[in-house]
Amino acid sequence: QKEVEQNSGPLSVPEGAIASLNCTYSDRVSQSFFWYRQYSGKSPELIMSIYSNGDKEDGRFTAQLNKASQYVSLLIRDSQPSDSATYLCAVNGDNFNKFYFGSGTKLNVKP
Amino acid sequence: DAGVIQSPRHEVTEMGQEVTLRCKPISGHDYLFWYRQTMMRGLELLIYFNNNVPIDDSGMPEDRFSAKMPNASFSTLKIQPSEPRDSAVYFCASSRNTGGSAATTQYFGPGTRLLVL
Repeated sequence: QKEVEQNSGPLSVPEGAIASLNCTYSDRVSQSFFWYRQYSGKSPELIMSIYSNGDKEDGRFTAQLNKASQYVSLLIRDSQPSDSATYLCAVNGDNFNKFYFGSGTKLNVKP
Repeated sequence: DAGVIQSPRHEVTEMGQEVTLRCKPISGHDYLFWYRQTMMRGLELLIYFNNNVPIDDSGMPEDRFSAKMPNASFSTLKIQPSEPRDSAVYFCASSRNTGGSAATTQYFGPGTRLLVL
């Protein structure tokens, strides 16, 4: 059973703060990791993908991967109220195009 | 590109009726995925296709569910007979194999909200 664990939240941060979202996964063969954002009533949309250990930055977003610890995180700098959404972590399995999704972390950014 | 297209966007039906959900993947994408999302179970993969061939249907809950992909631009997910516990949002997603060893991004359609009374 492949597991992807996320804290369901809600995670509340004030506007302008850094939001830190975490995800752990159980399958050591996983090689591809994705963060999706899902607004209420909408479909998931890709924020970032990461494949190698270390950090990957894209604007206000930074993804961090540590395969030894089986841990992937997403940092959102200068959080905005428009960042309020549920963030889904997705990890691929041994069939590399098959994704396993975490249950998501709900983020609230307070003005 | 128009993105992944799903229809209908909303469906309300009565228990026992047949429900057919439709999906058009992004042109050029060779993988198509059907997911179901509920509050209790989150986002679950039901089945996925590669080049129109079903690869993994281990997530299909029971024989009442079936999926087909007759060509590269169209797929259906059918529930017959439908039950109230099938009420959920059903997403279709597609991706393109770039030939590398890493999985590629899946792009989601807007979803179909199904309510079975």
